[in-house]
Amino acid sequence: GAVVSQHPSRVICKSGTSVKIECRSLDFQATTMFWYRQFPKQSLMLMATSNEGSKATYEQGVEKDKFLINHASLTLSTLTVTSAHPEDSSFYICSARDILDTNYGYTFGSGTRLTVV
Amino acid sequence: DAKTTQPNSMESNEEEPVHLPCNHSTISGTDYIHWYRQLPSQGPEYVIHGLTSNVNNRMASLAIAEDRKSSTLILHRATLRDAAVYYCILHRHNTDKLIFGTGTRLQVFP
Repeated sequence: GAVVSQHPSRVICKSGTSVKIECRSLDFQATTMFWYRQFPKQSLMLMATSNEGSKATYEQGVEKDKFLINHASLTLSTLTVTSAHPEDSSFYICSARDILDTNYGYTFGSGTRLTVV
Repeated sequence: DAKTTQPNSMESNEEEPVHLPCNHSTISGTDYIHWYRQLPSQGPEYVIHGLTSNVNNRMASLAIAEDRKSSTLILHRATLRDAAVYYCILHRHNTDKLIFGTGTRLQVFP
């Protein structure tokens, strides 16, 4: 099946700094990728839809200037958490779907655990 | 987005079948029923999806009610590695987004 690679798996950063998280589709092209955030013992919350070659679409309540999304190629989307604060500490997960394989669902990355100190 | 309702938690013994229910009474004709599961500290994993007919794959079976207002994910023989949170999600055919609900936490006992 399709594989989505997410990097880094774990990152600790200082308050006020920025962190970039990468999401790559390894064996398929993805014109659309999705970014989720998950707090402990909660479900996944969709943050934004990353569109290749155009602006991302953010869900209501998600600050687009704080969570910068770039989808420069058909296999790579990046999420940058700018001016991170402790409340941004969370588990960030990306996903994509191989549109050529309708017999399969969405593939998710293994997640990035961000800790802001 | 049409909502789904799942029990918060379920328990099973190893090697027994598990039936995970999901209610989706507001499902529309173009909504696919997707199931994903999430192990601790990992991203979700696709399990199975269907539209109207029952579906089988190597991981599980999906039984869809005739009126499509409910479905059941069936794990034929639970293993300890099946302990996870299982999410039932309605995916509208003309949109890309997957919106997660609260899911069912499955515990499997040896």
